Amino acid sequence: RKEVEQDPGPFNVPEGATVAFNCTYSNSASQSFFWYRQDCRKEPKLLMSVYSSGNEDGRFTAQLNRASQYISLLIRDSKLSDSATYLCVEHGSSNTGKLIFGQGTTLQVKP
Amino acid sequence: EPEVTQTPSHQVTQMGQEVILRCVPISNHLYFYWYRQILGQKVEFLVSFYNNEISEKSEIFDDQFSVERPDGSNFTLKIRSTKLEDSAMYFCASSETSGGDGANVLTFGAGSRLTVL
Repeated sequence: RKEVEQDPGPFNVPEGATVAFNCTYSNSASQSFFWYRQDCRKEPKLLMSVYSSGNEDGRFTAQLNRASQYISLLIRDSKLSDSATYLCVEHGSSNTGKLIFGQGTTLQVKP
Repeated sequence: EPEVTQTPSHQVTQMGQEVILRCVPISNHLYFYWYRQILGQKVEFLVSFYNNEISEKSEIFDDQFSVERPDGSNFTLKIRSTKLEDSAMYFCASSETSGGDGANVLTFGAGSRLTVL
């Protein structure tokens, strides 16, 4: 079983739409998670950390469901500039700082 | 905003040649990493480095790979004898801490694209 699994998409949505991505993880002991954004052929950039209580940052909301071992990302009022690949990331080791990446979910926001 | 810088941005090499990829992490960061991403695939962990030694490495990071922090600012990845399958984007990253609770925020460099012919 893959450590971090995501639906690769693509998700094609119109501007202004609300879209949600899910991600599942296999290590029940994992403590922290992140959503990174990656534009084509660019480096991953941190979008937001996901805490046990979930968190919100403007149009973005991340939730962690430990019982079901999944993380979600909700994007409200989608903008054209939100088009990118969204990477679900597990903090793999608190000693070494290693991150484990999912394969990413591609979002295309259309005018 | 502080950034991680990587050189070269793109390198083309012949199979069997040695390659060195260079990174300058953020100055107050203590943890350094190399990741790679083969075209169309996910970002994969290669190695983490702290206190002048490797703290963790993946199965990908075999004897052909090595890392070094030759001075106070550079962090390098060496591939001794490149193979075709080493063609990928290599990302350097650094962080202040290694800890959980969302505290371990990695900053990635723009990447070095390696093409092995």
